[in-house]
Amino acid sequence: AQSVAQPEDQVNVAEGNPLTVKCTYSVSGNPYLFWYVQYPNRGLQFLLKYITGDNLVKGSYGFEAEFNKSQTSFHLKKPSALVSDSALYFCAVRDMSNRDDKIIFGKGTRLHILP
Amino acid sequence: GAVVSQHPSRVICKSGTSVKIECRSLDFQATTMFWYRQFPKQSLMLMATSNEGSKATYEQGVEKDKFLINHASLTLSTLTVTSAHPEDSSFYICSARDLGKGPEAPGWTEAFFGQGTRLTVV
Repeated sequence: AQSVAQPEDQVNVAEGNPLTVKCTYSVSGNPYLFWYVQYPNRGLQFLLKYITGDNLVKGSYGFEAEFNKSQTSFHLKKPSALVSDSALYFCAVRDMSNRDDKIIFGKGTRLHILP
Repeated sequence: GAVVSQHPSRVICKSGTSVKIECRSLDFQATTMFWYRQFPKQSLMLMATSNEGSKATYEQGVEKDKFLINHASLTLSTLTVTSAHPEDSSFYICSARDLGKGPEAPGWTEAFFGQGTRLTVV
């Protein structure tokens, strides 16, 4: 089965500094990878996806992610963090290994942007 | 585009009663909907996958008779928590995808999520 791992429970970054939220994946075949953000007591918002093509994917709110096949990573990045970026971030992978077509989530990384 | 509306956002019910949560795709056809449960400070646990017009597929350990899922149309799926108990209190989130069109269509690869429902059973 496909899976993603988010090694950090929490990441703290000063406002204005670049941020990185890490994600590694384990898939058979070509990966479909996603990043979502969740604000308190809300559902998930789609940020970006990688299917094929350029390794650097640009998404919403100034976020981008870099697909690295050799390192099996898909880290989320932003050049300059905002306090409003503080939220829970989920990396996800599409799992088509069984008959169902599911999206499997990592455990999440809480991002704190310090003013 | 690709908006999913989930209702209610919060519900409090008495132990032993049933609660229905609705998930609607507002501007696309949701051929497939997913129901997740999220515990505090934890990730999303997939409960079941439903395809329009067919029975839901439940993940291992999820009680089918307790969590009834109906996906009768391409825009609506419902989750009914039957005979609710305090341990069913949680945040429930639905998501929807449109697997009927090709890769360029919203929802073919990524899923779009509802706002979530905070269920409290007292």
